[in-house]
Amino acid sequence: AQKITQTQPGMFVQEKEAVTLDCTYDTSDPSYGLFWYKQPSSGEMIFLIYQGSYDQQNATEGRYSLNFQKARKSANLVISASQLGDSAMYFCAMREAYNQGGKLIFGQGTELSVKP
Amino acid sequence: DTAVSQTPKYLVTQMGNDKSIKCEQNLGHDTMYWYKQDSKKFLKIMFSYNNKELIINETVPNRFSPKSPDKAHLNLHINSLELGDSAVYFCASSLGLLLTDTQYFGPGTRLTVL
Repeated sequence: AQKITQTQPGMFVQEKEAVTLDCTYDTSDPSYGLFWYKQPSSGEMIFLIYQGSYDQQNATEGRYSLNFQKARKSANLVISASQLGDSAMYFCAMREAYNQGGKLIFGQGTELSVKP
Repeated sequence: DTAVSQTPKYLVTQMGNDKSIKCEQNLGHDTMYWYKQDSKKFLKIMFSYNNKELIINETVPNRFSPKSPDKAHLNLHINSLELGDSAVYFCASSLGLLLTDTQYFGPGTRLTVL
């Protein structure tokens, strides 16, 4: 079974608008962390934001925020005021506490295109 | 300045050859990783090392042998390269193994096996 599911292979958004990238996860571990990474066309992986399973507040980092709904097992990334430079592949990933090796489990990714 | 660096950035080689990819981090982290990104952009962990000790070997063929000479370096040697090994290989590092320890990735090495 997929542990991390990103159901939107591709998304379009108009510049300056907000966009939500979906991520659902599956785990029986009560302690886990959720991460979002950005991969521009140049190929590097850039860390964006982290949410812990016990965090009471939704994480925010600048224009990025995480809409964490624990009961629904979803951790959607919200990008506000989209910019052309936001065009990239976005990956949701999870770490489970029981896994001692630090393994990140990635979703399939969502390709975001920002239109001028 | 570069936090996690990898060499080479591109590697083109023939089937059956042996090749190595080097990774270095200057962040003072204790934990390092190798991930493979396939042609469909799917990322999967291969290995993780903590304080130079192998922690994860994610059912990777024996042809892949990681080596960590010290905490700042994690190299990947691949023997008898096959067509299916063509992928982008990412090295990453984190402070440690806590859930909150973010993994920072290197720029990737694109391996093409002909």
